[in-house]
Amino acid sequence: ETGVTQTPRHLVMGMTNKKSLKCEQHLGHNAMYWYKQSAKKPLELMFVYNFKEQTENNSVPSRFSPECPNSSHLFLHLHTLQPEDSALYLCASSRTVDEQFFGPGTRLTVL
Amino acid sequence: SQQGEEDPQALSIQEGENATMNCSYKTSINNLQWYRQNSGRGLVHLILIRSNEREKHSGRLRVTLDTSKKSSSLLITASRAADTASYFCARIQGAQKLVFGQGTRLTINP
Repeated sequence: ETGVTQTPRHLVMGMTNKKSLKCEQHLGHNAMYWYKQSAKKPLELMFVYNFKEQTENNSVPSRFSPECPNSSHLFLHLHTLQPEDSALYLCASSRTVDEQFFGPGTRLTVL
Repeated sequence: SQQGEEDPQALSIQEGENATMNCSYKTSINNLQWYRQNSGRGLVHLILIRSNEREKHSGRLRVTLDTSKKSSSLLITASRAADTASYFCARIQGAQKLVFGQGTRLTINP
């Protein structure tokens, strides 16, 4: 266990659904990250939050909406997704960028 | 591509053998990191090597860095079945962005 938890672990949703992914860390880290991992593609950084402020948005479509209410929690709100958005979504946290701690991921399938 | 390139993409060896994975990159770095990912799970940080270091050890792991060739290698000695996983190198881009390579999928056969 890395100290970063993600829920749900698996999610199946239709293209018209709205769902949210949750990430939680109690490691005292100030930075939190969302990554997308698709089959046969490198891990892609989506968003970075530092002390609850978004510091990086890697040209992510607006159908993905992140929220960071405090330094321990990070959400990814999903709406009107496409089948190509099916992937493993990984959350990570860190004190410095030198070592990131990853959650187990949410396996998302969009029908 | 600005991302690292791992080589080989897949590696299959017998238990007890050594496994070597390579990573190349294109821009200058302050450090290079290696992560492991078990199938469908999150990544686990293995080791970080700084640009002024040439070699670093951690248990059965040995990482080398050649900044003149912009390459790094990860050696796992005396491999075990539990080492079966994907291995990624990663470097920092900008202030907080960690850029990962495509990864090497390592299979240890009993």
